Amino acid sequence: SQTIHQWPATLVQPVGSPLSLECTVEGTSNPNLYWYRQAAGRGLQLLFYSIGIDQISSEVPQNLSASRPQDRQFILSSKKLLLSDSGFYLCAWRGTGSLSNYGYTFGSGTRLTVV
Amino acid sequence: SQKIEQNSEALNIQEGKTATLTCNYTNYSPAYLQWYRQDPGRGPVFLLLIRENEKEKRKERLKVTFDTTLKQSLFHITASQPADSATYLCALYNFNKFYFGSGTKLNVKP
Repeated sequence: SQTIHQWPATLVQPVGSPLSLECTVEGTSNPNLYWYRQAAGRGLQLLFYSIGIDQISSEVPQNLSASRPQDRQFILSSKKLLLSDSGFYLCAWRGTGSLSNYGYTFGSGTRLTVV
Repeated sequence: SQKIEQNSEALNIQEGKTATLTCNYTNYSPAYLQWYRQDPGRGPVFLLLIRENEKEKRKERLKVTFDTTLKQSLFHITASQPADSATYLCALYNFNKFYFGSGTKLNVKP
């Protein structure tokens, strides 16, 4: 079966520090991968999505970047964090091909607090 | 601009009643729409997908309708239970991505 791993679960970082969040998927190949951010009491904002290795699309210009060095690995990074980067970061994957009744499968999330 | 609107006010209902949640959208033409459940501090969990050519979809106590003319989806939970208490999100599919509403919190009281 497919599983998705996301870490760390919580993170407190000072303003101006770098960030690296990692997401890996097991049990599938060539998944579509996504990074979302959820501010407190708000909906999910799509940040990046990837349909393959080194194929990254950005939805919103911001202080973040994403990379996909391997088929099932998706990394969210920042060189210098801002206070506004605080939030709940979620990685998700979806199978390719016929969607059938597929939805996203989300990771457990990373709660990032920038202080 | 494109919008996905869900009632931001919490829905409080009594156990055993039917909960009905609404998702309205503008300036989208989604091929399909999904509903997710999210518990505090957790990632959303996929519940149902409905395509634009489907009027209704059911799964156990859940029912989803999709009206592309009204640009609206309704999500029903029949015989609701306290364990159904959570935030429910709708998501629209557009160009290989899903865009989410902000969700409606459902409180089912025993």
